[in-house]
Amino acid sequence: DTGVSQNPRHKITKRGQNVTFRCDPISEHNRLYWYRQTLGQGPEFLTYFQNEAQLEKSRLLSDRFSAERPKGSFSTLEIQRTEQGDSAMYLCASSLGYPDPDTQYFGPGTRLTVL
Amino acid sequence: GENVEQHPSTLSVQEGDSAVIKCTYSDSASNYFPWYKQELGKGPQLIIDIRSNVGEKKDQRIAVTLNKTAKHFSLHITETQPEDSAVYFCAASSPGTYKYIFGTGTRLKVLA
Repeated sequence: DTGVSQNPRHKITKRGQNVTFRCDPISEHNRLYWYRQTLGQGPEFLTYFQNEAQLEKSRLLSDRFSAERPKGSFSTLEIQRTEQGDSAMYLCASSLGYPDPDTQYFGPGTRLTVL
Repeated sequence: GENVEQHPSTLSVQEGDSAVIKCTYSDSASNYFPWYKQELGKGPQLIIDIRSNVGEKKDQRIAVTLNKTAKHFSLHITETQPEDSAVYFCAASSPGTYKYIFGTGTRLKVLA
């Protein structure tokens, strides 16, 4: 399977705990994106990486959220001190980087439930 | 700010009929418009896209039309099949912005 992969697929945690999600993009893609999707809504942009550089962050990404892409390959999204409002599907996407705008391919998502 | 409106929110059609989903975007700089299909528990899957230098694009039973003047674009599915049942999202993107602005989705039900 050469698509975008995400782990875990599901995560249930208690309020106040920290969680970390992983995304592995399509191998030749140098751009990586994180989106959040709540029930009945379209995905909302969180952040974007060009190789290892984080180039844009949405105001939705509070101080409790941090994303990394240390070697320009896989990425992690960490949420500290989770709140019930963090419950959502977290989607990762990747793209080649051209043409501009380019086509983003999404992974299956990680569904987070905060109790 | 940038916004994409999508209608209808739900759509039921009989198998074999056509389905049309419409989106309107606010950012006149938007020039790329992908459509995604999302099945329950899965991530969005790209089904067709269009750039602003063309007015229509077709891929078998699926077509997309774009009216830049009115800032409207639409998805057309002909000869619908039960497996077309899913939630469909439109999106818009502008050069240099990287992010997609998504519509709120249309739940399509194809009745056998």
